Amino acid sequence: KAGVTQTPRYLIKTRGQQVTLSCSPISGHRSVSWYQQTPGQGLQFLFEYFSETQRNKGNFPGRFSGRQFSNSRSEMNVSTLELGDSALYLCASSINPSTDTQYFGPGTRLTVL
Amino acid sequence: AQTVTQSQPEMSVQEAETVTLSCTYDTSESDYYLFWYKQPPSRQMILVIRQEAYKQQNATENRFSVNFQKAAKSFSLKISDSQLGDAAMYFCAYRQGGSEKLVFGKGTKLTVNP
Repeated sequence: KAGVTQTPRYLIKTRGQQVTLSCSPISGHRSVSWYQQTPGQGLQFLFEYFSETQRNKGNFPGRFSGRQFSNSRSEMNVSTLELGDSALYLCASSINPSTDTQYFGPGTRLTVL
Repeated sequence: AQTVTQSQPEMSVQEAETVTLSCTYDTSESDYYLFWYKQPPSRQMILVIRQEAYKQQNATENRFSVNFQKAAKSFSLKISDSQLGDAAMYFCAYRQGGSEKLVFGKGTKLTVNP
């Protein structure tokens, strides 16, 4: 079974631009979560989607948004990019969001210049 | 809010030796899960082991085992017969029952010396 895939793997943007990252979960997994990883703040939860509904959101500004499609694929969007948004963005999927283990994708490395 | 603390920023071990990574957590909940994830230089986060809080028996996965001390809120990872491929960042993570959100520690960088 294929693992979690994320596209693109690397991205370079400039301040003020917006960016969309994509995540395809493991087949059969209906829950997708997003995390931001930075050297300073470590791994922080962004949001979680299950059956196209956002169930949980971390402490991030409204510039960070996401959505999930009927095939469970998810996208996250960051508008008006800031230098501090440079990070590794990790997506994770699971079958049952409350009891099952999350499996992570390889991440998207976003650099904001 | 739940917190996870990994007090060892870096650890090193000789190949074939045993090493223990420490993790403590703070929660008032009784239903939760604990995880150890490994992140090698490729940055892919890989599940190492999982422990349900209601299970008294410590989880094991081949060379990896945990020492789960619920009362002390401690969850250490023991790696036996260390291999060069074990070199990575190791993250301890907590998840409250009924929630999808993982709370991570800051990580421990493990170096394996040949």
